[in-house]
Amino acid sequence: KNEVEQSPQNLTAQEGEFITINCSYSVGISALHWLQQHPGGGIVSLFMLSSGKKKHGRLIATINIQEKHSSLHITASHPRDSAVYICAVRSISADLKTSYDKVIFGPGTSLSVIP
Amino acid sequence: DARVTQTPRHKVTEMGQEVTMRCQPILGHNTVFWYRQTMMQGLELLAYFRNRAPLDDSGMPKDRFSAEMPDATLATLKIQPSEPRDSAVYFCASGLGEVPGVDEQYFGPGTRLTVT
Repeated sequence: KNEVEQSPQNLTAQEGEFITINCSYSVGISALHWLQQHPGGGIVSLFMLSSGKKKHGRLIATINIQEKHSSLHITASHPRDSAVYICAVRSISADLKTSYDKVIFGPGTSLSVIP
Repeated sequence: DARVTQTPRHKVTEMGQEVTMRCQPILGHNTVFWYRQTMMQGLELLAYFRNRAPLDDSGMPKDRFSAEMPDATLATLKIQPSEPRDSAVYFCASGLGEVPGVDEQYFGPGTRLTVT
């Protein structure tokens, strides 16, 4: 089982639809990041979350630390939203001997919004 | 319009050759990150710097990869010797955050490396 999972893997939506992309993780984290990768390959940082909810334009990101789950919502979707959306977590762990943190990426959700 | 720049954008090289990728972070940003993206593995964090000091390079194969920041305007990632499995897109990103790897970052366009 991957430490960071996303669903759905692929999503096709009609323009104007409300879209939800999910990210679940199995490790302790200090922060979660949503990234958008355009068809041309460019990557844009969307949100960094450690609790609660953030909104930017038509994008809303929420995180539930207890449930180890985050969602990215897109309202009034548009063809220009077509991209791969990637969730990344900064995991933290400490055991008796060592402590470490690392960044773990989800596999991405490919979104296509058709006119 | 401040942006992260990377050179070269594309590189094709033969196995065994040295490859150097360069990144110019946004002026004033104090953190720089190197990522690698492949179809099989997705995105991976290779290394990051804060105030030019390497903080973590645990994601990087040490025997052949090295990352440096000779000054605040230049970060380099070298592979010597290169191998076909190094073929990937290498992204550089810069930011102002304190949280390595998941603070807001600005990504460069990437260097697409092909090792034959």
